[in-house]
Amino acid sequence: DVKVTQSSRYLVKRTGEKVFLECVQDMDHENMFWYRQDPGLGLRLIYFSYDVKMKEKGDIPEGYSVSREKKERFSLILESASTNQTSMYLCASSLSGTQYFGPGTRLLVL
Amino acid sequence: GENVEQHPSTLSVQEGDSAVIKCTYSDSASNYFPWYKQELGKRPQLIIDIRSNVGEKKDQRIAVTLNKTAKHFSLHITETQPEDSAVYFCAASRRYSGGGADGLTFGKGTHLIIQP
Repeated sequence: DVKVTQSSRYLVKRTGEKVFLECVQDMDHENMFWYRQDPGLGLRLIYFSYDVKMKEKGDIPEGYSVSREKKERFSLILESASTNQTSMYLCASSLSGTQYFGPGTRLLVL
Repeated sequence: GENVEQHPSTLSVQEGDSAVIKCTYSDSASNYFPWYKQELGKRPQLIIDIRSNVGEKKDQRIAVTLNKTAKHFSLHITETQPEDSAVYFCAASRRYSGGGADGLTFGKGTHLIIQP
């Protein structure tokens, strides 16, 4: 069975803090993705990775970075959190098109 | 880049009636079109998908149609039931340069409400 997990369901941080969101998949998928979901805007792609240590910018990469040191793990990093980064963050992995999502991390930046 | 438009943003239908959600895309190179269902507080779940070499696909009460010429695809749900109430997202895939990933561009979602 497909399994994508995220380290936290809810997170509260202060402006300027460095924030790490972790995602792990156990399906040996090559591709992993980070999206943010905001009401009325749907899901927007932040970054993705198609292999270990490889990363590509998505549609809204500003203010974010990523790390993929191991195939199963993909981290999203907010170097200096800002209030406009308050959102739901969804991780996904895929092998050939079909993407499987994690449960999401709801981040509140105060 | 790809742009996906989805309509309507809210759809209310009587239980047992059919529901249709429509999407258009801009990039003629897109070749994979999934639909996701997201219930309140839960993760998006793939319900059906279609690739560009197929015009229609059906899975029980759910069907998807694709018109590549018009760059248009639609989700059809027949005999709607209360458990169909959710937000539905369409998406289209495009390949990013330099990699093999199938990145998805999503529509903004349709809130489907099934009235008892």
